[in-house]
Amino acid sequence: SQTIHQWPATLVQPVGSPLSLECTVEGTSNPNLYWYRQAAGRGLQLLFYSVGIGQISSEVPQNLSASRPQDRQFILSSKKLLLSDSGFYLCAWSRGQSFAGYTFGSGTRLTVV
Amino acid sequence: DAKTTQPNSMESNEEEPVHLPCNHSTISGTDYIHWYRQLPSQGPEYVIHGLTSNVNNRMASLAIAEDRKSSTLILHRATLRDAAVYYCILRDRGNDMRFGAGTRLTVKP
Repeated sequence: SQTIHQWPATLVQPVGSPLSLECTVEGTSNPNLYWYRQAAGRGLQLLFYSVGIGQISSEVPQNLSASRPQDRQFILSSKKLLLSDSGFYLCAWSRGQSFAGYTFGSGTRLTVV
Repeated sequence: DAKTTQPNSMESNEEEPVHLPCNHSTISGTDYIHWYRQLPSQGPEYVIHGLTSNVNNRMASLAIAEDRKSSTLILHRATLRDAAVYYCILRDRGNDMRFGAGTRLTVKP
């Protein structure tokens, strides 16, 4: 069976510090991978998605970046965090077919102070 | 992805059925209708999906209008654990899925 791992669960970082969140998927190959962010009391915002190694599509211009160094690894990064980067970050994977569902990780709650 | 419209919030009593509506008047012929729900402090979880015919699974039922411009997620007997935000989403062959605001379901004991 497929599993998705996301860590850390919570993170408190000072403004201006770097960020690296990692997501890995097991039990499948060539998954579509996604990063979403959810601000407090708000809906999910799609940040990045990837359909293959080294292929990243960005949805929202911001100071975040994503990389996919391996087939089942997706990393979200920032060189300098802003207060507005606080939120609940979720990684997800899916097959590319329109009937395929998404499976989400357990999320990382990031607080920038 | 085509746009969906859902009520912001709904209330239900425990052990009663709940019908969560979703309008998607601009749905295309290849869009699948997906429903997810998000419990507090958790990531969304898959509930059900369908294309044209009504669908049932252990969690819920999905009723799709004949013209496919609307659908209804049916929870047959709401429990307190069903309190969550429910999202109705259309997915085509695209590689991304965008979530709207969803419907916040409150279940009263």
